[in-house]
Amino acid sequence: NAGVTQTPKFRVLKTGQSMTLLCAQDMNHEYMYWYRQDPGMGLRLIHYSVGEGTTAKGEVPDGYNVSRLKKQNFLLGLESAAPSQTSVYFCASSNRDRLTLNTEAFFGQGTRLTVV
Amino acid sequence: AQTVTQSQPEMSVQEAETVTLSCTYDTSESDYYLFWYKQPPSRQMILVIRQEAYKQQNATENRFSVNFQKAAKSFSLKISDSQLGDAAMYFCAYRSALNRDDKIIFGKGTRLHILP
Repeated sequence: NAGVTQTPKFRVLKTGQSMTLLCAQDMNHEYMYWYRQDPGMGLRLIHYSVGEGTTAKGEVPDGYNVSRLKKQNFLLGLESAAPSQTSVYFCASSNRDRLTLNTEAFFGQGTRLTVV
Repeated sequence: AQTVTQSQPEMSVQEAETVTLSCTYDTSESDYYLFWYKQPPSRQMILVIRQEAYKQQNATENRFSVNFQKAAKSFSLKISDSQLGDAAMYFCAYRSALNRDDKIIFGKGTRLHILP
């Protein structure tokens, strides 16, 4: 059972380069999220999706774009990377099913991105 | 907008002792979910315990229990008989149970050190 898989696990980018982080989940979850984790800042929500074909802005969306063309995938794009985007990025997915208590987020293993 | 506050950036506890991590949140909603996640050095996010706001009984999971005070908007985590493997970053999180367009909001975290 793979759960939530993020690709890649590590990446170094030069300022101005672009890249896409891929998140895939095999739990048929409706909700998917992208967070960034920085020291002393906790997990901050970048963008999220409440279903296939939908996306919404989170707390820190500037400089990022997302797409959810398929229910199982949630892509995070950086069009022109900046050193301020150096961070660890986490993808998560969830449902919201009170009957089964299936309400928590399941996380991928994280992607460490360095922009130089 | 909902917010989650963890006022203790770091804490230390002697092995086998009990420690309590604090979390407060701000919301105007009456129905929601609260979570505690653990992040060990491996970086993997692990659900420790969850609480549903409509349930008055405090959740427990083995050595982990919560003190949920709805009126005070407080959700503390108590770890009994602390073990070396409990050393990690702990995050408190909030999720609305009412709004379909919801997101999971995290606090900044508390780093817990276990002293042998």
